[in-house]
Amino acid sequence: SQKIEQNSEALNIQEGKTATLTCNYTNYSPAYLQWYRQDPGRGPVFLLLIRENEKEKRKERLKVTFDTTLKQSLFHITASQPADSATYLCALDRGGGFKTIFGAGTRLFVKA
Amino acid sequence: DAGVTQSPTHLIKTRGQQVTLRCSPISGHKSVSWYQQVLGQGPQFIFQYYEKEERGRGNFPDRFSARQFPNYSSELNVNALLLGDSALYLCASSPPGLAGGRETQYFGPGTRLLVL
Repeated sequence: SQKIEQNSEALNIQEGKTATLTCNYTNYSPAYLQWYRQDPGRGPVFLLLIRENEKEKRKERLKVTFDTTLKQSLFHITASQPADSATYLCALDRGGGFKTIFGAGTRLFVKA
Repeated sequence: DAGVTQSPTHLIKTRGQQVTLRCSPISGHKSVSWYQQVLGQGPQFIFQYYEKEERGRGNFPDRFSARQFPNYSSELNVNALLLGDSALYLCASSPPGLAGGRETQYFGPGTRLLVL
C-alpha cells in the first residue's frame, strides 16, 4: 500500500532563510500531489498542487518540485517569516475513486 | 463568502453511542470528503461524495457511514463508538472539476470528538 514519509522531526530555521520540506512516497506515482498548511486546532489550508507531468510549481514565496523517479516532492518557502510557523502536510491522490493519502506532516518553526 | 462549516465544534460521547456530524460545503461545490485526524497524524480519508453519490471510501469499518443531501451538505454517522474514534473529524469541499476530483480541497474547522 502507498506510504508517505515526511520529516518527523520539527524543522527550526531563522527568519529570512529558505525552508525545505521533504515528502517521499513508496509505491505508485500519484496523479497529483498537494501541499497544505495546518495551524493547531484548525483544518488544513490548501497551498499548492503539482501534477505527475509537472516538475515545478511556484506561488509567491512557495515552490514545489516533483520527481517521480525519486518518488519525492520538495516544498520550499523562501524568505521565511515567523508567520510561516505551522505544520505542513503532503497529500497524494490518484484521482477518481481512489483515496487521498496524507503524510503525518512536518512542523516548521521560524525564529525571528 | 462563507467557507466550509461544520457542526458541532466539540462533542463528548460515551462508548457504544452513536454520533452524527454535519458539514456544509462552500456554495457551488458539489464534492464533499470526510477525514479523521488523530493527534500527531495526518488526516485519514473516510468518504467522498459527489453529486449525492459515494465516489470513494477509505479503510474504515461499516460503523462509519455518510450521505449527501440535494443541497450538497453532508452528514457523517458513526455507530457503536469506540475510544479509538476520538479524533478531529474534518470535512472538505472541492469545486467542480475533472470528474469531481479532490484536486483542491477546502477544509472546515473540524469537529473534535471525544469518546469516554
